[in-house]
Amino acid sequence: GENVEQHPSTLSVQEGDSAVIKCTYSDSASNYFPWYKQELGKRPQLIIDIRSNVGEKKDQRIAVTLNKTAKHFSLHITETQPEDSAVYFCAASKENNDMRFGAGTRLTVKP
Amino acid sequence: DVKVTQSSRYLVKRTGEKVFLECVQDMDHENMFWYRQDPGLGLRLIYFSYDVKMKEKGDIPEGYSVSREKKERFSLILESASTNQTSMYLCASSYIYEQYFGPGTRLTVT
Repeated sequence: GENVEQHPSTLSVQEGDSAVIKCTYSDSASNYFPWYKQELGKRPQLIIDIRSNVGEKKDQRIAVTLNKTAKHFSLHITETQPEDSAVYFCAASKENNDMRFGAGTRLTVKP
Repeated sequence: DVKVTQSSRYLVKRTGEKVFLECVQDMDHENMFWYRQDPGLGLRLIYFSYDVKMKEKGDIPEGYSVSREKKERFSLILESASTNQTSMYLCASSYIYEQYFGPGTRLTVT
C-alpha cells in the first residue's frame, strides 16, 4: 500500500520567513496530493492540493510543487505569519480516494 | 457548507466495554473514513466505505469494526475496548477527492 513520509516533524521560523515541508510517497499510481492544516483543537482542513498532471500550484502565500519522477511533493509558505502556526499534513491518494497521510509537521511562526 | 458531525467530543470508557462512535455527513458523499490520530503518527486509516453496506480495511483495522447502514452515517465499533485504543478518532467524508473532517472524538479507555 501507499506510504507517505513527511519532514521535518517540527519547524520553527521567524515571522516573514519562508517555510518548506517535504513529503515522499511510494505508490506511483497516486495522482492526488492534498495538504491539510490543523490548528490546535480543530479539525484538519484542506489548504491546497495538486493533481499529478500539474507540477506546481500557487494560492497567494502558499504553493505546492510535485515531482512525479522522484515521487516527492512540497509545501511552500512565504511571508509566514503567526496564524500560520499549526500542524500540517500531506497526503497521497489514488482515484478511488484511498488516501494516506504523512505524520505531520508542527510549524511555529515566532512573532 | 459540508457538515460532518461526530456523536461525542470526549468519551471515557472502561477496558472491555463495547464502544460506538458515530459519524454523520449531510452532503450525500459516497465515501466515508475513520482515522485515529496519535502524536507523531499522523492520521492512520482504520476503515473506509465507498457505499452503503460496503467497507474496506485501512492500515490498522485490528480491534475495530464498522457499520454503514445508511449513506450519511458511518459507525466505528470497538468490540472490547483496550487501553491502547485511547486516541483521537476523526471521521471524514468525500465526494471525489477532498476529504471533510468531523471535529473528532477524544476517547480515553481506562
